Amino acid sequence: DSGVTQTPKHLITATGQRVTLRCSPRSGDLSVYWYQQSLDQGLQFLIQYYNGEERAKGNILERFSAQQFPDLHSELNLSSLELGDSALYFCASSPLGYSEQFFGPGTRLTVL
Amino acid sequence: AQSVAQPEDQVNVAEGNPLTVKCTYSVSGNPYLFWYVQYPNRGLQFLLKYITGDNLVKGSYGFEAEFNKSQTSFHLKKPSALVSDSALYFCAVRDQAGTALIFGKGTTLSVSS
Repeated sequence: DSGVTQTPKHLITATGQRVTLRCSPRSGDLSVYWYQQSLDQGLQFLIQYYNGEERAKGNILERFSAQQFPDLHSELNLSSLELGDSALYFCASSPLGYSEQFFGPGTRLTVL
Repeated sequence: AQSVAQPEDQVNVAEGNPLTVKCTYSVSGNPYLFWYVQYPNRGLQFLLKYITGDNLVKGSYGFEAEFNKSQTSFHLKKPSALVSDSALYFCAVRDQAGTALIFGKGTTLSVSS
């Protein structure tokens, strides 16, 4: 158990809908990262937040957004969902510096 | 741009034999390298990292990795494989900004009894 929690574990929804994925980082970790894992794209970095502020962006679509709250939990919002958004979404956290990231169990999103 | 390559989609090894999962990298500046393992329907578990120092890095569950700067490689090794080591293994490098991890496509390790 990495100490990073994600809810829900599974999410099934329809095209055009909007969903919110939630992540709670390890105690004391200020950085939260979101990754998408799909069969065709592999593991891709989406976005990073540090202590409530956006720090870095990766291959994140404009339909997707995230935020980090004062209690350091983070939410990833996915809107106007398409079939191709079906994937496993991971949250990770880390302390300062170039340390390793600790991953949550992921949320499996299925768009029908 | 930083990148990693895992040249093998699958590695098969018999239980008790040594295993190697290959990784090569391309970075600007000093590499910060990581290995993660993913079991079915689970998140990624951190195994080990190379930041600086000794070229042989020891990690969790008996795994180790050898950093080779001249060959730009960071191969994962274990002296004696277990059936329970069967999983998907990812090599990763920290990006230039020191934020995201850039992952290889992964190598499936299959250990037979």
